[in-house]
Amino acid sequence: QKEVEQNSGPLSVPEGAIASLNCTYSDRGSQSFFWYRQYSGKSPELIMFIYSNGDKEDGRFTAQLNKASQYVSLLIRDSQPSDSATYLCAVKRGTYKYIFGTGTRLKVLA
Amino acid sequence: GAVVSQHPSWVICKSGTSVKIECRSLDFQATTMFWYRQFPKQSLMLMATSNEGSKATYEQGVEKDKFLINHASLTLSTLTVTSAHPEDSSFYICSASPTGGVGELFFGEGSRLTVL
Repeated sequence: QKEVEQNSGPLSVPEGAIASLNCTYSDRGSQSFFWYRQYSGKSPELIMFIYSNGDKEDGRFTAQLNKASQYVSLLIRDSQPSDSATYLCAVKRGTYKYIFGTGTRLKVLA
Repeated sequence: GAVVSQHPSWVICKSGTSVKIECRSLDFQATTMFWYRQFPKQSLMLMATSNEGSKATYEQGVEKDKFLINHASLTLSTLTVTSAHPEDSSFYICSASPTGGVGELFFGEGSRLTVL
């Protein structure tokens, strides 16, 4: 079992729809959770982080964390073609340990 | 968010030469920085953790004599690819987390290395 798992996709959604990206992790000791967006040929950029159970909203993005079930998700409302990218889930353990998933490729269809 | 600058963005070199890549945190201090490499359509691979004022910690399978890391100050880490070969061609990305922050990791723009 991978430490951080994501469906590789591609996940295709029509423009204006809600895109739902999921991530599960294996270590219950994980403390903080991050979502990154990576466009092809570019480096990852931080979208959101969450460390408490529940939802955290920032503009069109909502991160959801459920520690009991060991999953974290990212919802993108009103998806735009410019949201088409690979979304990486990352889990922080300890002071300097970050584990990245392999990413989910999102395609928003115009 | 915090800014991490990486230089050069791309470099082409001949086989057998060495290439140095710089990673700077522009508006924060970072005790620890990370170096990744990424092949096309593949996920990030952590190469090493760079610690200010001490030796880097390398991941299993990464040759420390080939990929020299120096973290001379709280805002600068460098990666030197020594005696580069075509198989070292890749996208190298650094990242850093502000000391005393909540743990967010910020990435540099990446450096694309092509070894001829």
